[in-house]
Formats: sequence, structure tokens, C-alpha cells
Amino acid sequence: DIQMTQSPSSLSASVGDRVTITCRASQGISNYLAWFQQKPGKAPKSLIYAASSLQSGVPSKFSGSGSGTDFSLTISSLQPEDFATYYCQQYTSYPLTFGGGTKVEIK
Amino acid sequence: EVQLLESGGDLVQPGGSLRLSCAASGFTFSNYPMSWVRQAPGKGLEWVSSIGGSGDTYYADSVKGRFTISRDDSKNTLYLQVNGLRAEDTAVYYCAKSLVVAARGYFDYWGQGTLVTVSS
Repeated sequence: DIQMTQSPSSLSASVGDRVTITCRASQGISNYLAWFQQKPGKAPKSLIYAASSLQSGVPSKFSGSGSGTDFSLTISSLQPEDFATYYCQQYTSYPLTFGGGTKVEIK
Repeated sequence: EVQLLESGGDLVQPGGSLRLSCAASGFTFSNYPMSWVRQAPGKGLEWVSSIGGSGDTYYADSVKGRFTISRDDSKNTLYLQVNGLRAEDTAVYYCAKSLVVAARGYFDYWGQGTLVTVSS
């Protein structure tokens, strides 16, 4: 199974900050990497697919990069609505696996 | 507008069974792979099972032999039959639609989830 490791597990940031979350796969997954945002009590929402492609309707302040084993999600200017938990997920092979999540909190 | 509406979650005793349903609308259901993903209270996301448009199925090791995924394209509905429930199966169960890009499917839409609680 492919293990997905996210870091940090949590971070505190201020409105307007640039935030970067990293995700590492235990083996190469090409660019079959997705990012999701989840707010408390809500379903996950798709942000990024194919490592760097923005899901329709997602604002351009979100960006993704990486290939192979190392990936990152960047929020260019954090807004109050962006405080949430973010998950990466590989979809190159079964079993599909998620990272442990990164909780972005208000400083 | 894509909509996925799960139902069927309940409080059930260990060893019990349930059938979860996910009613889909807003897209041609038969054309897309569908999946179930769960989230235990306070924990992260865990993939459970997927079914392709042609009926091919995949399961996490933790549920293989106990859970069965199926779809009824005439009713635009995805199902998950869950048997032999254990305390560790307690979770919100989400259904998710996949969009295939470059021969791989990623989750582009999620339902709101249905809660399964396993307890005596």
C-alpha cells in the first residue's frame, strides 16, 4: 500500500499569510494526487487534482505542485473561510490512501 | 448541479448489518465510477470501496468479505451493504463521485454523509 504523509499535522496562521502544506508518498505516484478541504461537520470538498489542476469553481489562491513522491498545497493569502483541515490523497492505485490531514487554525 | 444524498446510517449492535444508499442526480450516473469513504469520529478520511462503470469492484482490506458495494444505474443509486459490523466501523460514510482524467479517477464530488454507529 502507498502511505501518504502530510506535514505539518497542524499550523497556526494569520489572515493574509501564505501557507504551504506538504505531502509525501511512500513510492512514486506520478501526478495522481488530489487535495481536499474539510470544514468541521461538513463533507470534504475537492480543491486540486492531478497535483496541480484546480477543480472547477475553486479560487486561484489555491495552488498545487509536485510529482513523483513530493507534493505541496499553497494558499497564497489565507482568508477566514480557509481555516479548515486539508487532506492529500493518491489515486494511482488501490487501495486509495489519504494523508493524515493538516489542520489550519487561526493564530 | 451534482447532488449525492446518502441515507441508511443508524445505531446497530456489533455483528449487525445495514444497507447504505447514495442517491445521485445532476449527472449521467452510469458513466462514472463511484466510491465510499468513511471518517471515524475525530479521525481522518479512509477509503472503503469503489465500483467502476462496468461493475468492477475494489475494497479496503479492513472491510473485504464484510462489505459489498453495488450500483443500480436505472435508479441512479449507489449502495454499500455492510455486514458483521464492528465498533471500529463507527464512522460517517460518504459517497463520492469520481472523474476519470488520464486513466485515473479522482473524487470530484462528495455527499454530505450518513452516520453509522456500532455499539451495544
